[in-house]
Amino acid sequence: GAVVSQHPSWVICKSGTSVKIECRSLDFQATTMFWYRQFPKQSLMLMATSNEGSKATYEQGVEKDKFLINHASLTLSTLTVTSAHPEDSSFYICSAGDKGSGNTIYFGEGSWLTVV
Amino acid sequence: GIQVEQSPPDLILQEGANSTLRCNFSDSVNNLQWFHQNPWGQLINLFYIPSGTKQNGRLSATTVATERYSLLYISSSQTTDSGVYFCAASYSGNTPLVFGKGTRLSVIA
Repeated sequence: GAVVSQHPSWVICKSGTSVKIECRSLDFQATTMFWYRQFPKQSLMLMATSNEGSKATYEQGVEKDKFLINHASLTLSTLTVTSAHPEDSSFYICSAGDKGSGNTIYFGEGSWLTVV
Repeated sequence: GIQVEQSPPDLILQEGANSTLRCNFSDSVNNLQWFHQNPWGQLINLFYIPSGTKQNGRLSATTVATERYSLLYISSSQTTDSGVYFCAASYSGNTPLVFGKGTRLSVIA
């Protein structure tokens, strides 16, 4: 199946700093990618839909100025957590659909963010 | 939007036992996927099954689209099957998957 790669897998940052997470589709082009957040022992919650060449669409309650999403190419979307705080510590995971594989959606490995 | 409900929320099995996990969804969907999330958070795609039946080793899944439910069968469970199983649905590959709350499976030796 298609491969989605996410980097970094683990990141620790200080409060007040920003951290960038990358999501790449390795063997297919993705005009749309999706970013999720998962708190411990909870399900995955959609944060935003990333659209290549245009602004991301954010879910209700997600601060667009805090979670900056850029989808500059057909194979790369980035999520930047700005002015991170400890409550932003979470598991972040991206996904993308490969049109060549029908409607199947593939996920990256996820990124564990810890803000200290 | 789509709503996805999974049952049971928690399941404890003796190694070697069989189990059935259920997923109900609220709307007609073109994408229904089952995932296993390992302790490191990685989502392993088990099945893409918007309808019909598929089998992969000890795992099989059936989706009855007209009745809006899907079942995941695990046979001869092993301790390595432990983890959280998620069902997720979407209208298409260009729309986001909506996840259920998951079934937390513990297989004990």
